[in-house]
Amino acid sequence: QVTLRESGPALVKPTQTLTLTCTFSGFSLSTNGMCVSWIRQPPGKALEWLALIDWDADKYYSASLKTRLTISKDTSKNQVVLTLTNMDPVDTATYYCARTTYGDHWYHFDYWGQGALVTVSS
Amino acid sequence: DIVMTQSPDSLAVSLGERATINCKSSQSVLYSSNNKNHLAWYQQKPGQPPKLLIYWASTRASGVPARFSGSGSGTDFTLTISSLLAEDVAVYYCQQYYSTPFTFGPGTKVDI
Repeated sequence: QVTLRESGPALVKPTQTLTLTCTFSGFSLSTNGMCVSWIRQPPGKALEWLALIDWDADKYYSASLKTRLTISKDTSKNQVVLTLTNMDPVDTATYYCARTTYGDHWYHFDYWGQGALVTVSS
Repeated sequence: DIVMTQSPDSLAVSLGERATINCKSSQSVLYSSNNKNHLAWYQQKPGQPPKLLIYWASTRASGVPARFSGSGSGTDFTLTISSLLAEDVAVYYCQQYYSTPFTFGPGTKVDI
């Protein structure tokens, strides 16, 4: 059974760095083809893909946020960590992690975490 | 980046009636090597994460009722709910996974 769970601070101040952890079970990020993405959703708005890390530790980022984002993994702990620097109130959102795979090409997001609401306010 | 658009923004459908949502990508998401459309549909209810409904444009995810169907190819896709139930009230998103950055449509809100 695949599960993912996001954890991190619910409130951050402007200019601070956000660190979120996705802890998953039911698969290994050392298995060929396995990938984990971060996706966010501002209140009442659409979904926005942020970053992906694959089984080989290759990383992909949203171009608009690339300079502020870092994604990493700890395979032994079954965790993926996302950091977002210089937080601003517009970064207030629910942050999701989701699993995808890469076979002959990219696959869909088949499992999602419940999400973590992060509010940016002084 | 591939831009995803959806129409309508919202629609109200009577119980038991058909709901149709359209999704368009700014470039083809049909991958020639596997002849598959890298297009998924998700359902999101308030306070919940998105739930995978359809992948490869027309394959229902495990446990998804048969009243949900997807169609289309290339750049134009449709999600159809054949007979709306009250539990289908939600926002529906299309998403391309042909290339990074993965992109989602703006969502279509379905109401009774």
